[in-house]
Amino acid sequence: GNSVTQMEGPVTLSEEAFLTINCTYTATGYPSLFWYVQYPGEGLQLLLKATKADDKGSNKGFEATYRKETTSFHLEKGSVQVSDSAVYFCALVMDTGRRALTFGSGTRLQVQP
Amino acid sequence: DAGVTQSPTHLIKTRGQQVTLRCSPKSGHDTVSWYQQALGQGPQFIFQYYEEEERQRGNFPDRFSGHQFPNYSSELNVNALLLGDSALYLCASSLQGRNTEAFFGQGTRLTVV
Repeated sequence: GNSVTQMEGPVTLSEEAFLTINCTYTATGYPSLFWYVQYPGEGLQLLLKATKADDKGSNKGFEATYRKETTSFHLEKGSVQVSDSAVYFCALVMDTGRRALTFGSGTRLQVQP
Repeated sequence: DAGVTQSPTHLIKTRGQQVTLRCSPKSGHDTVSWYQQALGQGPQFIFQYYEEEERQRGNFPDRFSGHQFPNYSSELNVNALLLGDSALYLCASSLQGRNTEAFFGQGTRLTVV
């Protein structure tokens, strides 16, 4: 079946540090890939997405590139802020058949002033 | 636009009881999916409703059932509650079609005691 693996957290960084959260996937076919963010006490918000190989999703300074050859979709940000502290989920959905999202286990990011 | 709204936000039930959770999708959306998010884990797909029918189902027992109404709102019912059913239940709405974004509600925190 399909699966998503994320690096375990928590990831603790100082403000303005560079962020990378690794995500790899296993899928039979060609999924669309997503990063969702969950702030404390809230639901999930879509952060960015990519629908085909070599696409780069970007939003609010975050970026991720769909790498088919390494089945990866790593999340990066050049300079994190305290307000970026949250849990980040990598997810995939198949373009055909099941449209249900398959999520990774999440990575908690803590940014210190 | 109110987005996806869920009710109630929190509730506590006793083992063996039954519970109903409710979801109103984002305006214009016709598909509702339900997810269970255990503490510290990523969301797990329960089922999806479209045109008032269950279209897809994840690996959840028959104790979990649902309904979609003509106005696209949805209910999730769980019978014979177990302690392990304690989780955040998330509703996501979307529009049927390729690569459509899913919008999530803030969730219902269910505690079974």
